[in-house]
Amino acid sequence: RKEVEQDPGPFNVPEGATVAFNCTYSNSASQSFFWYRQDCRKEPKLLMSVYSSGNEDGRFTAQLNRASQYISLLIRDSKLSDSATYLCAVSTGGGNKLTFGTGTQLKVEL
Amino acid sequence: DAGVIQSPRHEVTEMGQEVTLRCKPISGHDYLFWYRQTMMRGLELLIYFNNNVPIDDSGMPEDRFSAKMPNASFSTLKIQPSEPRDSAVYFCASSHMWARLSSGANVLTFGAGSRLTVL
Repeated sequence: RKEVEQDPGPFNVPEGATVAFNCTYSNSASQSFFWYRQDCRKEPKLLMSVYSSGNEDGRFTAQLNRASQYISLLIRDSKLSDSATYLCAVSTGGGNKLTFGTGTQLKVEL
Repeated sequence: DAGVIQSPRHEVTEMGQEVTLRCKPISGHDYLFWYRQTMMRGLELLIYFNNNVPIDDSGMPEDRFSAKMPNASFSTLKIQPSEPRDSAVYFCASSHMWARLSSGANVLTFGAGSRLTVL
């Protein structure tokens, strides 16, 4: 089983829709959780951290479920510019070592 | 700050040739990471350094791969000899210990990547 797993998609949604992605992780000792965004042929960029109590940044909401070992990302009122691949990342143990999922591709359409 | 700088951006080489990828981390960052990204396997951590010292190289696929960090502002990833299956995008990323403590998050900043094609 992979350490971090995501549905690769693609998720094709109309502009204005709400879309949610899940990401599961296998190591219960994982400590820190993140969502990164990667545009086509570009580098990944941090979208947001995921905190235990859940957190929101504008149209984006991230949540953590430690009992079921998954994190989620909810995007409300999707924009065309949200089209990208969303990577979840998990840190286990000391240091900054991050393990990434393979990413979920989102396509927002008119 | 110019961000993490990688070179070359694109490299096309023939099987058996030596490939050297270069990275300049963000000034002041004390962690440096080399990742490889392919469609099949996603983003894989190859090796990371803390204060120029290799901490974990368990992701390095085989002896053909080697990485060095001779000083705080430069790192190389070398593949010798290269094989077609090494074709991928190689990303360098850096981070700072204090970024982790202040936000509770390990914030990596990635370079633009080096796209390697081995024929």
